[in-house]
Amino acid sequence: NAGVTQTPKFRVLKTGQSMTLLCAQDMNHEYMYWYRQDPGMGLRLIHYSVGEGTTAKGEVPDGYNVSRLKKQNFLLGLESAAPSQTSVYFCASSLFGRAGTDTQYFGPGTRLTVL
Amino acid sequence: GENVEQHPSTLSVQEGDSAVIKCTYSDSASNYFPWYKQELGKRPQLIIDIRSNVGEKKDQRIAVTLNKTAKHFSLHITETQPEDSAVYFCAALFSGAGSYQLTFGKGTKLSVIP
Repeated sequence: NAGVTQTPKFRVLKTGQSMTLLCAQDMNHEYMYWYRQDPGMGLRLIHYSVGEGTTAKGEVPDGYNVSRLKKQNFLLGLESAAPSQTSVYFCASSLFGRAGTDTQYFGPGTRLTVL
Repeated sequence: GENVEQHPSTLSVQEGDSAVIKCTYSDSASNYFPWYKQELGKRPQLIIDIRSNVGEKKDQRIAVTLNKTAKHFSLHITETQPEDSAVYFCAALFSGAGSYQLTFGKGTKLSVIP
């Protein structure tokens, strides 16, 4: 039982390049989330999904797109990377959103640098 | 949207002393308040949480208190140990009106001095 995994662990992009970050969970969780973590800013929600085929915007969605084609996977895309997107990206999942099932479990993170 | 303020941003304590971290939230509809610990280079890990129908919760050396009227909650760590050194994040969950978002504070870097 691997929990929440993320691919890749590190990546360096040039401005304007595109990439996709993959999050996978094997806990049969319905809800999945993408956060970014910047120094002194805590964790900020980018997008989330409450089930296969659904997505919703979080606090800082601009410049990112997501897809949840399979229940176990949540993809985060950057179509045209900018230096402001240099950050550590964390994926998380929870069983559901209601009381008792809403604990979020985090992946190991992806460190992205945009030059 | 929800806003979570966390204080202090840094905290140094002697080993064996207690540490207290405080958070305030803005949305009175928030009903779930987890605390996460993040060691350097690692993922955030849940250490304790509290729901809006409870005023206090304890787990060994860690306790969390919630004051719904004042909209603040606190993390208390007693008998601190060097392995407690990490960044701690509070968070508040608002779910409703089709939205479901966990908002985090900016973190407290706790250093326990042996």
